[in-house]
Amino acid sequence: GQQVMQIPQYQHVQEGEDFTTYCNSSTTLSNIQWYKQRPGGHPVFLIQLVKSGEVKKQKRLTFQFGEAKKNSSLHITATQTTDVGTYFCAGDSGANNLFFGTGTRLTVIP
Amino acid sequence: DAGVTQSPTHLIKTRGQHVTLRCSPISGHKSVSWYQQVLGQGPQFIFQYYEKEERGRGNFPDRFSARQFPNYSSELNVNALLLGDSALYLCASSTKGETQYFGPGTRLLVL
Repeated sequence: GQQVMQIPQYQHVQEGEDFTTYCNSSTTLSNIQWYKQRPGGHPVFLIQLVKSGEVKKQKRLTFQFGEAKKNSSLHITATQTTDVGTYFCAGDSGANNLFFGTGTRLTVIP
Repeated sequence: DAGVTQSPTHLIKTRGQHVTLRCSPISGHKSVSWYQQVLGQGPQFIFQYYEKEERGRGNFPDRFSARQFPNYSSELNVNALLLGDSALYLCASSTKGETQYFGPGTRLLVL
């Protein structure tokens, strides 16, 4: 079955440092989505990438979709304490369901 | 505009019981999806409904069932509850199934 893996599982950074999480799918995806979940909260949609090699930016966040549409990354520049949470990628194979990755839990040390 | 709403927020059941969880999508959204999120893991897809028809089903046993009503709200039913069914159950709505807007979830504890 389809699997979506993320690394690292946990990441602790000093405030101001950069952070990157990587997402890899076992199958080619029609699109990939990224979500952020704060502790005790629910996933909140961040962005969707559709095109091969696509790069999108949201302020300090940069999202990339691999050329083969099987991997993706999220990079945060100069982390802030408000960035704390778990970041999930979710792959859409076009079969009307999303496969969520295992998530990367980010802790930002002030 | 109101976001996705779910009820109840918390629920405690015992093994073997049945549970019904409810979800109201964002106004104008016709697709509702259900996910199970066990502590420390990512959400796992259970069902997707669009225009009252099942459009997708994840790898869950037949104890799990769902339906969507004419007003696009949805119910998730779980029969013969097991301890392993303890989780956060998330409902997400979308226009046709792409970008998912999640509700706050229902936390189910099975004792």
